[in-house]
Amino acid sequence: EADIYQTPRYLVIGTGKKITLECSQTMGHDKMYWYQQDPGMELHLIHYSYGVNSTEKGDLSSESTVSRIRTEHFPLTLESARPSHTSQYLCASSESGWYNEQFFGPGTRLTVL
Amino acid sequence: AQSVTQPDIHITVSEGASLELRCNYSYGATPYLFWYVQSPGQGLQLLLKYFSGDTLVQGIKGFEAEFKRSQSSFNLRKPSVHWSDAAEYFCAVGVNEKLTFGTGTRLTIIP
Repeated sequence: EADIYQTPRYLVIGTGKKITLECSQTMGHDKMYWYQQDPGMELHLIHYSYGVNSTEKGDLSSESTVSRIRTEHFPLTLESARPSHTSQYLCASSESGWYNEQFFGPGTRLTVL
Repeated sequence: AQSVTQPDIHITVSEGASLELRCNYSYGATPYLFWYVQSPGQGLQLLLKYFSGDTLVQGIKGFEAEFKRSQSSFNLRKPSVHWSDAAEYFCAVGVNEKLTFGTGTRLTIIP
């Protein structure tokens, strides 16, 4: 059973607000990822981290930022939310050695009004 | 750059019938291939993966997939579907420690 958690599960906010989406895993995985998923669309990698103090941008450009101060925690922040940020955000983690499977959290569905 | 195509957006099958979900990939070298399943409101769960060796891969929940290099395909199969198999299915290719996903196939099961 994968132990990766995301909070909140659902978030509805107004334009211009600052938000942080939380992601935590208890498996001690070095690698963590953030994906953006629109309805009926594939997942797009927006950020990833190979360990503490390591963050990289993914294939899809995103206005969000991430940090990795602790192994288990990989929060995503939007400084000023806009309606175009409305989407589902999925967090994942994996052991080092990319052939290992990625474990996914349940996702956060964000709606910006 | 690598890419994944899942040509079927939505498939409907009867409970107990067999299932095949198609996946085609584009990548210059030997790919690492995955199938994930996503139930409504949930994250993704790995069904199976192919790295090398036997081209027929067994996964969880009675699923299997066959890698065919000549066709650049990695189709997912199940001999008899259950109502609980209704979900979204994603094929993915792994390159340079990152996954590229297809657009998914939504599976509906009818009694």
